[in-house]
Amino acid sequence: EVQLVESGGGVVQPGGSLRLSCAASGFTFDDFGMHWVRQAPGKGLEWVSHISGDGTNTYYADSVKGRFTISRDNSKNSLYLQMNTLRTEDTALYFCATEGSSGTYSFFQHWGQGTLVTVS
Amino acid sequence: SFVLTQPPSVSVAPGQTARITCGGNNIGSTGVHWYQDKPGQAPVLVVYDDSDRPSGIPDRFSGSNSGNTATLTISRVEAGDEADYYCQVWDSNSDHPWVFGGGTKLTVL
Repeated sequence: EVQLVESGGGVVQPGGSLRLSCAASGFTFDDFGMHWVRQAPGKGLEWVSHISGDGTNTYYADSVKGRFTISRDNSKNSLYLQMNTLRTEDTALYFCATEGSSGTYSFFQHWGQGTLVTVS
Repeated sequence: SFVLTQPPSVSVAPGQTARITCGGNNIGSTGVHWYQDKPGQAPVLVVYDDSDRPSGIPDRFSGSNSGNTATLTISRVEAGDEADYYCQVWDSNSDHPWVFGGGTKLTVL
């Protein structure tokens, strides 16, 4: 069974930093790209960042580019999100998710429960 | 890149059929995926590639996609289907390829 467990959320002041982690199990971690997705209170889902299975390719939403860094440690089956220069609008529940693909299109296959980041 | 438009809310009585739309310019040219999001739970993929279901998803959930509109159809709606539903596409030509719609709140009356 695929399990994704996020951690590292908390309360931080504007301009501060936080590092999120996602522990993965139940699948061959380095075979899959991974995502971070967030959901602000009362708002919809927003894709944040993606990293390829081998860690060589990354993508970022414009809203976080230059401030957030996605990384992974395949030896530890772990995904990370380093968040710097945090803003109040970064307040959200942050999910990690596995990349799914039918071979043609990319989607979000499995999701964790999320970790809450509050910037205040 | 794609801009996906969903109705904020859809209401349906138990046992009836709910249809949730996702509009986008020529969305029929790409694959659309749908997620169910309940409070306090991890989101769940319910339909991928327009109309395929992951294992474990009931066949009451189905999807279609043509022209400028994709549709998630939930047949024989149950109280447990009440949730937010999001459509999503992947735009391989974009620097930020993964796009969600704004979400639709399904209320079971």
